[in-house]
Amino acid sequence: GAVVSQHPSWVICKSGTSVKIECRSLDFQATTMFWYRQFPKQSLMLMATSNEGSKATYEQGVEKDKFLINHASLTLSTLTVTSAHPEDSSFYICSARELGEAYEQYFGPGTRLTVT
Amino acid sequence: AQSVAQPEDQVNVAEGNPLTVKCTYSVSGNPYLFWYVQYPNRGLQFLLKYITGDNLVKGSYGFEAEFNKSQTSFHLKKPSALVSDSALYFCAVRDIDGGYQKVTFGTGTKLQVIP
Repeated sequence: GAVVSQHPSWVICKSGTSVKIECRSLDFQATTMFWYRQFPKQSLMLMATSNEGSKATYEQGVEKDKFLINHASLTLSTLTVTSAHPEDSSFYICSARELGEAYEQYFGPGTRLTVT
Repeated sequence: AQSVAQPEDQVNVAEGNPLTVKCTYSVSGNPYLFWYVQYPNRGLQFLLKYITGDNLVKGSYGFEAEFNKSQTSFHLKKPSALVSDSALYFCAVRDIDGGYQKVTFGTGTKLQVIP
């Protein structure tokens, strides 16, 4: 149980285009989803926290107009990287907290974004 | 604000030997501590957590961690390392920051188990 999927697993896009990454909780309802960014050989940096049906809370320094997060249902959150640039290339990981769960987060497998 | 420190970028251990991956933390309230493992190009997998109770926490794949409040540490241990344990390990702490729950990750420790 408690499986989180991400799609796509990797994507290459041209500079200036937008890319959408999906995060789904497959066998549970996720009231809260988190989006992280991981640079090579570095830790995970929390980008934003989203609660189903409400606006995401972004961490300091994260551009909300560039990284659009939508959490429209209890099983789906999307991250859209708008007008992507090469410096946006990174490994993006989502995680989800199950409805009623106080402590644990379940992580997706990650999406490798390369902007050329 | 909470913080987590993993002082070792890499730990090398021979297969069959005991392993320890170090973690220290700083929080304003009661610590909720976690260990995760990450394999190349994969997301994080949960290993174990400490919320309250016994200071020695047992988790997945034979790993355990010891919570030490006086030393503010939560070191990950395994009695006998396997080559398949080679991966990146993250310590994390959950606290309240700005009115909502937030998990902060350490910088990660690469574990290399040598056959």
